[in-house]
Amino acid sequence: NAGVTQTPKFRILKIGQSMTLQCTQDMNHNYMYWYRQDPGMGLKLIYYSVGAGITDKGEVPNGYNVSRSTTEDFPLRLELAAPSQTSVYFCASIKTGSGNTIYFGEGSWLTVV
Amino acid sequence: QKEVEQDPGPLSVPEGAIVSLNCTYSNSAFQYFMWYRQYSRKGPELLMYTYSSGNKEDGRFTAQVDKSSKYISLFIRDSQPSDSATYLCAMSAIFNQGGKLIFGQGTELSVKP
Repeated sequence: NAGVTQTPKFRILKIGQSMTLQCTQDMNHNYMYWYRQDPGMGLKLIYYSVGAGITDKGEVPNGYNVSRSTTEDFPLRLELAAPSQTSVYFCASIKTGSGNTIYFGEGSWLTVV
Repeated sequence: QKEVEQDPGPLSVPEGAIVSLNCTYSNSAFQYFMWYRQYSRKGPELLMYTYSSGNKEDGRFTAQVDKSSKYISLFIRDSQPSDSATYLCAMSAIFNQGGKLIFGQGTELSVKP
């Protein structure tokens, strides 16, 4: 198992550009999450999904969109990138009833200039 | 008011000291409480998981939950330099069935040799 895979690991965007952060898990987990972590801060939930075709907003959804067309993939889309979206993004997944271990990806470092 | 509050520190202790890390929360529906450790430029890793009130011990780590006071703690005995990291508390209302997992800000801990 590769676990939770995020791409890209590093990216620099210009203000107003759009991009998609990819997240894939091969553990057949039903729940997936996107978090952002600003320097010296905890993780803030952007969006989460309880299964294919179902997504819901977290604490800080503005400026982002997600989709969950398959169990494996949970891409995060940034439209019209802004400097405030400069952050580290973590994707995570969990299989409910499995002991509640949440698996995190390695993170994606995004800078908007 | 934030749902989860955590003192960001930084906290610096000598090797061998007992470390106490704490979080308070406002949502009385939270039932699942976790502590994560995060090393620099890495994703969080689960340290301790507790359901409802009570204590849980794992080696040098003890997690306590006091739901009446909406207060959770993590104690680290005989702290080691390798314990130097950021510690994040996290909690959820229905995590065992999926759902939002909310993190605290994180406390940066430094254990000096």
